[in-house]
Amino acid sequence: AQSVTQPDIHITVSEGASLELRCNYSYGATPYLFWYVQSPGQGLQLLLKYFSGDTLVQGIKGFEAEFKRSQSSFNLRKPSVHWSDAAEYFCAVGAKSSGDKLTFGTGTRLAVRP
Amino acid sequence: NAGVTQTPKFRILKIGQSMTLQCAQDMNHNYMYWYRQDPGMGLKLIYYSVGAGITDKGEVPNGYNVSRSTTEDFPLRLELAAPSQTSVYFCASSYEGQGVFSEQYFGPGTRLTVT
Repeated sequence: AQSVTQPDIHITVSEGASLELRCNYSYGATPYLFWYVQSPGQGLQLLLKYFSGDTLVQGIKGFEAEFKRSQSSFNLRKPSVHWSDAAEYFCAVGAKSSGDKLTFGTGTRLAVRP
Repeated sequence: NAGVTQTPKFRILKIGQSMTLQCAQDMNHNYMYWYRQDPGMGLKLIYYSVGAGITDKGEVPNGYNVSRSTTEDFPLRLELAAPSQTSVYFCASSYEGQGVFSEQYFGPGTRLTVT
C-alpha cells in the first residue's frame, strides 16, 4: 500500500539556522511529490512540487526540495529560517497508477527560536 | 479574488444533528475537494468533484454527502452527527491541468465539534 512518512513530529530551530524536513514515501511508480505549509488557523498553501525532470526543485519563500529515488525521499530544505516560517509542513504524494488520490503525511510542526 | 471561502468557521453540534458546511470558490476551478484533518494526522479526502454534477468518494466518505450543482459551490452535508466527526474540515479547489495533482487552493477551514 502507498504511504507517506514524516518521521519528525516537531522540530525547533533557531532563527537563521538551516532547516531540513524529512519525507519518505512508499509507491510503486514514480510519484508526484508536494510540500504544503499550514500557518496557524489557516488552510494549506503549496510550497513546491515535483513531477519530473530536475530532481532539485525550488519553491516559494526560499524553500527547496530534492527528490532522491534511491532513498524514496523528498526532503524539504531552507538555508536560513525566518521566524515567519513557524508553521506545520505536510508532504503529500500521489501517482496516477494508484488512482487520482493524494496521500498526505502526518505533518511536521516547526518552531523557530528567536 | 476571494479564493476559497468556507462557512462557518466554528460549529458545535449535538449528536444526531445535521448541518451543511459551505464552500465556494471564485477561481473557476473544475476540481473541488473536501478533507478532514484530525489532530496529529494528515488530511484525509472525504469527497471530491471534477465538475458540476460529478462527485466521487474519497478515502473517508461514510457519514457525509456532497452535491455540486454549480462550478462555484461544493457543500458538505453531515446528516447524523457523531463524535467521530469532530475534526477540522478543509475545502480545496484546483484547475483541471493535472487533475488532483494540480496545485490545490485551500479554504481557512471549519472547526466542528460534536458532543
